[in-house]
Amino acid sequence: QQPVQSPQAVILREGEDAVINCSSSKALYSVHWYRQKHGEAPVFLMILLKGGEQKGHEKISASFNEKKQQSSLYLTASQLSYSGTYFCGTGGRYSGNTPLVFGKGTRLSVIA
Amino acid sequence: DVKVTQSSRYLVKRTGEKVFLECVQDMDHENMFWYRQDPGLGLRLIYFSYDVKMKEKGDIPEGYSVSREKKERFSLILESASTNQTSMYLCASDRGPEAFFGQGTRLTVV
Repeated sequence: QQPVQSPQAVILREGEDAVINCSSSKALYSVHWYRQKHGEAPVFLMILLKGGEQKGHEKISASFNEKKQQSSLYLTASQLSYSGTYFCGTGGRYSGNTPLVFGKGTRLSVIA
Repeated sequence: DVKVTQSSRYLVKRTGEKVFLECVQDMDHENMFWYRQDPGLGLRLIYFSYDVKMKEKGDIPEGYSVSREKKERFSLILESASTNQTSMYLCASDRGPEAFFGQGTRLTVV
């Protein structure tokens, strides 16, 4: 079952902040975040694990509330390069090696 | 540099044709996946495989089959293409927490 993302789309000016939310009806053991720029393949941003450990390599932060089965991605002081569609995913190796299932995505547009 | 390569970026096929979408990864990953991407629907899982000869249905397997004869290659097969299978198809493989995606194949069925 797909996780639910909100908002569906957001437009920001450079320097503004945004929050993208992801929720699941199932218990979460890990949440994955990916970004897909127009015409390109999705690229891994980070993973949040149950217990609070975060693995990633981008200067973007996220939170994971296991009890509420929710995760939020925080983009602060947005740059033009942040534009793209952001997907959250549930499952994966840290969730009993279940396949990774993605939400419908949030389209983020950053304008000058 | 890790790589997932899909054989075609664009394909146009006729209704009823048998279509093969090929995906090769050079990272010795055990897990491979096929997703379909449609506007407003996100990435939907079609099939996945955790080992050679092994395959499991995802959320939308109807009308598709897969083949994994070698670890590095995972093929998606449309037995009889239909217009509602016009879409972007993405292959992925994973290692640890990170999945790597191919560039996608945009398939148009006419």
